[in-house]
Amino acid sequence: GAGVSQTPSNKVTEKGKYVELRCDPISGHTALYWYRQSLGQGPEFLIYFQGTGAADDSGLPNDRFFAVRPEGSVSTLKIQRTERGDSAVYLCASRFGQYNSPLHFGNGTRLTVT
Amino acid sequence: GDSVTQMEGPVTLSEEAFLTINCTYTATGYPSLFWYVQYPGEGLQLLLKATKADDKGSNKGFEATYRKETTSFHLEKGSVQVSDSAVYFCAPRGNAGNMLTFGGGTRLMVKP
Repeated sequence: GAGVSQTPSNKVTEKGKYVELRCDPISGHTALYWYRQSLGQGPEFLIYFQGTGAADDSGLPNDRFFAVRPEGSVSTLKIQRTERGDSAVYLCASRFGQYNSPLHFGNGTRLTVT
Repeated sequence: GDSVTQMEGPVTLSEEAFLTINCTYTATGYPSLFWYVQYPGEGLQLLLKATKADDKGSNKGFEATYRKETTSFHLEKGSVQVSDSAVYFCAPRGNAGNMLTFGGGTRLMVKP
């Protein structure tokens, strides 16, 4: 079946601009995660949704970052006033409801802030 | 919070050599443990998992045993192939939160 889909696959933006990154999880997966991966490093947790609500947003680095999941399926990560340090691959993952079920990752959106 | 320590890479091996990638973790409660793999140009994929002490996860010839007493989850393979060249990530999921905590990853390069 279809996996986690992220769009766009690449995004280049100028410093100070606003960007939105989209994630379509696997159908039926109730949990959705956003991670950020910088070059040569492991993924860093940003935010976790259970259904429509953000169950844990402790990984968001500052208030320029925001994410929504209004209908409990598609999620959008929003970054305001982008900075060059925001350049990274943004990964989305989803998981079926059972606690021990694994996360399924999308291929990510590579964000470059110039 | 949860944390992971993985051996630093790159690890360079010849084909058919034995592989060990060490992983130790700290996590709250009784975490589930995962290894993920990232092949060149591809996304993260689950390689194997173990959900309780002494469980052994296995897949594609790779194995890892959940060692609660040493808080370790070392990845092993008896005979690596060139196609195993990738970056491997150890990741516990503690039960205080629902997120995976990733290590820095270990790059494996297998030469023919």
